[in-house]
Amino acid sequence: NAGVTQTPKFQVLKTGQSMTLQCAQDMNHNSMYWYRQDPGMGLRLIYYSASEGTTDKGEVPNGYNVSRLNKREFSLRLESAAPSQTSVYFCASSERLNLPDTQYFGPGTRLTVL
Amino acid sequence: QKEVEQDPGPLSVPEGAIVSLNCTYSNSAFQYFMWYRQYSRKGPELLMYTYSSGNKEDGRFTAQVDKSSKYISLFIRDSQPSDSATYLCAMSGNTNAGKSTFGDGTTLTVKP
Repeated sequence: NAGVTQTPKFQVLKTGQSMTLQCAQDMNHNSMYWYRQDPGMGLRLIYYSASEGTTDKGEVPNGYNVSRLNKREFSLRLESAAPSQTSVYFCASSERLNLPDTQYFGPGTRLTVL
Repeated sequence: QKEVEQDPGPLSVPEGAIVSLNCTYSNSAFQYFMWYRQYSRKGPELLMYTYSSGNKEDGRFTAQVDKSSKYISLFIRDSQPSDSATYLCAMSGNTNAGKSTFGDGTTLTVKP
């Protein structure tokens, strides 16, 4: 039982490049989330997926797109990376959106945009 | 103004001390109150959560919620070096309770 896994762990991009961050969970959770965390700041929600087939914007969605590929996988895409997107990205999952279930977090992806 | 404000720290205490970590909030719709612990270069993990007002205890950890003052606290008794981490408070309402608003975190160092 791996929990929530994220790939890659580290990535360096040049301004304007694109990339996709991958996330998978093996806990049969319905809801999945993407957050970013900047130094000295808490987690800010980028996008979330309440259940397979649905996605919604969070607090800071601009510059990102997501795909809920199936129940297990939720990917985050940067179409044209900007230095302001340098951050640590965390994926999380929970059993359902409308319960304050424990959110299980992945180990994070450290992204630098030059 | 942020919906959730957390005492910024950093906090450094000797081993065995009692630690108090605090958050205030402005959204009266918040009903669920969580504390996460995040070790360096790791994802956050849930320590405790409480619903509405009151206290909850789990071993050396006690969470308190005072909804009338819009103030929550996490107390750590007999602090250990292994408690050294960043602590994040988080809150959510009854609707879409899985979507939480996080504080910025307080970094705690417990010195042996």
